Amino acid sequence: SQQGEEDPQALSIQEGENATMNCSYKTSINNLQWYRQNSGRGLVHLILIRSNEREKHSGRLRVTLDTSKKSSSLLITASRAADTASYFCATDASVQGAQKLVFGQGTRLTINP
Amino acid sequence: GAGVSQSPRYKVAKRGQDVALRCDPISGHVSLFWYQQALGQGPEFLTYFQNEAQLDKSGLPSDRFFAERPEGSVSTLKIQRTQQEDSAVYLCASSTPWGARTDTQYFGPGTRLTVL
Repeated sequence: SQQGEEDPQALSIQEGENATMNCSYKTSINNLQWYRQNSGRGLVHLILIRSNEREKHSGRLRVTLDTSKKSSSLLITASRAADTASYFCATDASVQGAQKLVFGQGTRLTINP
Repeated sequence: GAGVSQSPRYKVAKRGQDVALRCDPISGHVSLFWYQQALGQGPEFLTYFQNEAQLDKSGLPSDRFFAERPEGSVSTLKIQRTQQEDSAVYLCASSTPWGARTDTQYFGPGTRLTVL
């Protein structure tokens, strides 16, 4: 079963606009990660935010985490056609060891030129 | 190596056949994970190794699924008597040495399995 739910399931915007994707989860976590997956390819790690962090930036990416609401958002600013992909949030809720990730169902982002 | 590699990239099997999927993790990565990704879904955890020890196999869907990592590097996921519901992309990931807990998992390109 999957812990996370991403919203929206699909998003289509014009190049240059900002894209915001949301993720909700159910249990307490150690950290939350966002991954990108281009069609037919593996997952690319984008950013990790720990449970004691509230906001993190990496280039054009901004991630927020609200542990009281069990939610996170990923903002991509000044979108480019190359950002077209599926985006997944993944939570690490392991008590010890394994660092098993639990993924959401993803948001399919399309950037129109 | 430069990244996690998996082979084959594509595998077509007839129902009832056995298949073996290979994963080469990043050199020096102690932790290795297998995930299954159905079409249009997010990946789901199958099993986890720390070196050669399989510490968690709670995600394996049935006893037809078996994974091994005998020397603590390359891993093989074996599916016996494949069924149509086994059709999916199988992803392998590795992560940094035990204790570092940077928690980033690096994924391979996956093996797309189609069972006819």
